Amino acid sequence: SAVISQKPSRDICQRGTSLTIQCQVDSQVTMMFWYRQQPGQSLTLIATANQGSEATYESGFVIDKFPISRPNLTFSTLTVSNMSPEDSSIYLCSVTGTGNEKLFFGSGTQLSVL
Amino acid sequence: AQSVAQPEDQVNVAEGNPLTVKCTYSVSGNPYLFWYVQYPNRGLQFLLKYITGDNLVKGSYGFEAEFNKSQTSFHLKKPSALVSDSALYFCAVRDTNAGKSTFGDGTTLTVKP
Repeated sequence: SAVISQKPSRDICQRGTSLTIQCQVDSQVTMMFWYRQQPGQSLTLIATANQGSEATYESGFVIDKFPISRPNLTFSTLTVSNMSPEDSSIYLCSVTGTGNEKLFFGSGTQLSVL
Repeated sequence: AQSVAQPEDQVNVAEGNPLTVKCTYSVSGNPYLFWYVQYPNRGLQFLLKYITGDNLVKGSYGFEAEFNKSQTSFHLKKPSALVSDSALYFCAVRDTNAGKSTFGDGTTLTVKP
């Protein structure tokens, strides 16, 4: 199993500012993902964080808005840039465990943009 | 492109009764299928998976799911529901090449005493 520490757990931000979310895993993992979840709704994949190279973004998400870093196999950051109220959501870090099968999730970052 | 459909936003059952949460999928190639559960104010947890083998897979907390290839379904079941099973349930399909998972919209299960 993988234990994921995600910080901050919640934040309230002003429009136009940026927030960086950190994801630390207790073991080396092959794949790390960033998801967004509207309260009580489904998860939408933002991007796959690639170690040592640019992240792979899903349709509708761009690097300028959601820059991602992954400097090693245990750590990644997601920045939500130039925030607007529409960015208010829960952001989840996720990794695959050994065998690259099931996903493990961080506890999430609840972001509110005023 | 892969996709997952959970046709019911909400399922209500009485405690002790059997429950079914439905899921259908669309994927090219062999599917990797999963169920995850999200309890109130808690993170998502893995419940069970189908990769290959027996069509009936058993998971945590007494849940099981049946893989039906002809109907492209992977319904979640439990013979006897508990109030503590009340949560948000997500079905997911994983792209075996890219490794990314696509989630259904979720089904809120409410088990009443």
